[in-house]
Amino acid sequence: NAGVTQTPKFQVLKTGQSMTLQCAQDMNHNSMYWYRQDPGMGLRLIYYSASEGTTDKGEVPNGYNVSRLNKREFSLRLESAAPSQTSVYFCASSHENKGTQYFGPGTRLLVL
Amino acid sequence: AQRVTQPEKLLSVFKGAPVELKCNYSYSGSPELFWYVQYSRQRLQLLLRHISRESIKGFTADLNKGETSFHLKKPFAQEEDSAMYYCALSDDSNYQLIWGAGTKLIIKP
Repeated sequence: NAGVTQTPKFQVLKTGQSMTLQCAQDMNHNSMYWYRQDPGMGLRLIYYSASEGTTDKGEVPNGYNVSRLNKREFSLRLESAAPSQTSVYFCASSHENKGTQYFGPGTRLLVL
Repeated sequence: AQRVTQPEKLLSVFKGAPVELKCNYSYSGSPELFWYVQYSRQRLQLLLRHISRESIKGFTADLNKGETSFHLKKPFAQEEDSAMYYCALSDDSNYQLIWGAGTKLIIKP
């Protein structure tokens, strides 16, 4: 039981490049989330998916897109990376909307 | 507006001393509150949630609706408690957690 997994662990991009961050969970959770973590700002929700087939914007969705591929997988795409997107990205999942969220190990992204 | 405030960015205490990490919230509904912890180079994990009323790793937190607070306490700090601590509030209206900015706790030997 791996819990929540994320790939890659670390990525360096040039401004304007695109990439997709992958997230998968094996806990049969309904809800999945993407956050970014920046110093002094805590965690900010980018997008979430309450259940398979649905996605909704969080606090900071601009510059990102998501896909809930199936119940297990929830990907985050940066179409044209900007230096302001340099951050640590965390994926999380929960069984129910008010339940405990379980986090992945994070992806460190550096945009030059 | 819903908000979670952790007034201390950094808290440094000596080993064996009591620890209190402050969390205040602003929420119009019935709050459900959490404390998450992130140890160095590890993923965020749940420390405790107020509805379970458990004590985890010696930490406790009591919801004070009058003061709108959910402070995290431990009577005797240990070096392994050094970590980043986040307070979070579950928003009834959607599927989101509202997060505080976090407090970095350093336990000095």
